[in-house]
Amino acid sequence: EDQVTQSPEALRLQEGESSSLNCSYTVSGLRGLFWYRQDPGKGPEFLFTLYSAGEEKEKERLKATLTKKESFLHITAPKPEDSATYLCAVLGPGAQKLVFGQGTRLTINP
Amino acid sequence: GAVVSQHPSRVICKSGTSVKIECRSLDFQATTMFWYRQFPKQSLMLMATSNEGSKATYEQGVEKDKFLINHASLTLSTLTVTSAHPEDSSFYICSARDRDRGLSQPQHFGDGTRLSIL
Repeated sequence: EDQVTQSPEALRLQEGESSSLNCSYTVSGLRGLFWYRQDPGKGPEFLFTLYSAGEEKEKERLKATLTKKESFLHITAPKPEDSATYLCAVLGPGAQKLVFGQGTRLTINP
Repeated sequence: GAVVSQHPSRVICKSGTSVKIECRSLDFQATTMFWYRQFPKQSLMLMATSNEGSKATYEQGVEKDKFLINHASLTLSTLTVTSAHPEDSSFYICSARDRDRGLSQPQHFGDGTRLSIL
């Protein structure tokens, strides 16, 4: 059974303090790994898709990387507006259903 | 691009009422749409996969007679919560995948519907 585990559950940082969020996964035949951002009371907003180990994607202060067992979302010099819950999800060989992790609640203090 | 519109954003109604939630893909066609439920501070739980022109596929433990799904066109899926009770109160979110961009493309999500049953 496909599984996704995200850590930490919650993370508080000061503005400008860089860090990384982890997403460990178990899936037989990864079709894609997805990162989403979710603000309170809103639906998830798509950030990145990674398809194969070694792949990296960047967008503003965010950078996502992928290995055969895990993905990292690196946040460089974060700002308060980066505060949100970050969700990781994998698409297995059936390529139909996403399996989500529990998310990391990120808070950036000014 | 890839905008998914969900309506209404919030519903408050009495116990026993049936509530319909709409999910529309605005700038793409979606053969498949997904319905999720999310409890406070928890992740998304897939309820069902909605397929255009055919019956929805429900996840284990989800009552198909309680949560009716209709996907009558390539841009619209609806979820009807029948005879809703307080335990059905939750945040319901839909997503859709662009049928022209392949199976491994991301799902795009609506902004959710907050359902409160009194």
